[in-house]
Amino acid sequence: ETGVTQSPTHLIKTRGQQVTLRCSSQSGHNTVSWYQQALGQGPQFIFQYYREEENGRGNFPPRFSGLQFPNYSSELNVNALELDDSALYLCASSLKGEGGLDQYFGPGTRLTVT
Amino acid sequence: QKEVEQDPGPLSVPEGAIVSLNCTYSNSAFQYFMWYRQYSRKGPELLMYTYSSGNKEDGRFTAQVDKSSKYISLFIRDSQPSDSATYLCAMSADNAGNMLTFGGGTRLMVKP
Repeated sequence: ETGVTQSPTHLIKTRGQQVTLRCSSQSGHNTVSWYQQALGQGPQFIFQYYREEENGRGNFPPRFSGLQFPNYSSELNVNALELDDSALYLCASSLKGEGGLDQYFGPGTRLTVT
Repeated sequence: QKEVEQDPGPLSVPEGAIVSLNCTYSNSAFQYFMWYRQYSRKGPELLMYTYSSGNKEDGRFTAQVDKSSKYISLFIRDSQPSDSATYLCAMSADNAGNMLTFGGGTRLMVKP
């Protein structure tokens, strides 16, 4: 088991609502990446935060936003939820500047939008 | 067309078999290549990574990268039932190996 934790484990929301997902990084890691994994598919990169700033973004609309806090924990916010947002949301932490190839994934938050 | 293609399987093999998992890709900027294993209801776990072309071995696992063909492979020797999982290839073009592009995953079942 990695030291990356995510909350909540499961979440059910209604279309149009807003949701906030949380991630605590592995100790000592300064970079957090968020991924969306639809059922039966590979994870898709949403964005990455390094030292509290967005450091890269995948092909996701602006209603997907995030924050990283001074303790390197992170939030993913999704506004105006759509049915297609139903997925497993994964966060991964790593240590940028030290290779960063070891991205440690959390167990994910499963979001269902009805 | 997706940037990274991976046969979804499922791939079913008997215990002890050699397993070959493969991915093809289209983006020639990719320079870091990873293999992740994902058990049901868990996050992906990094198995191996390779920089640029070549082979890398770690115990029962061997990763191969052929950048000229845009083709990567993972071989598992002496497969065990505990190897049953979904295997994801992932690639990155950035110099820290972050911001991964994943394949869709191959589900592997190793039968006792």
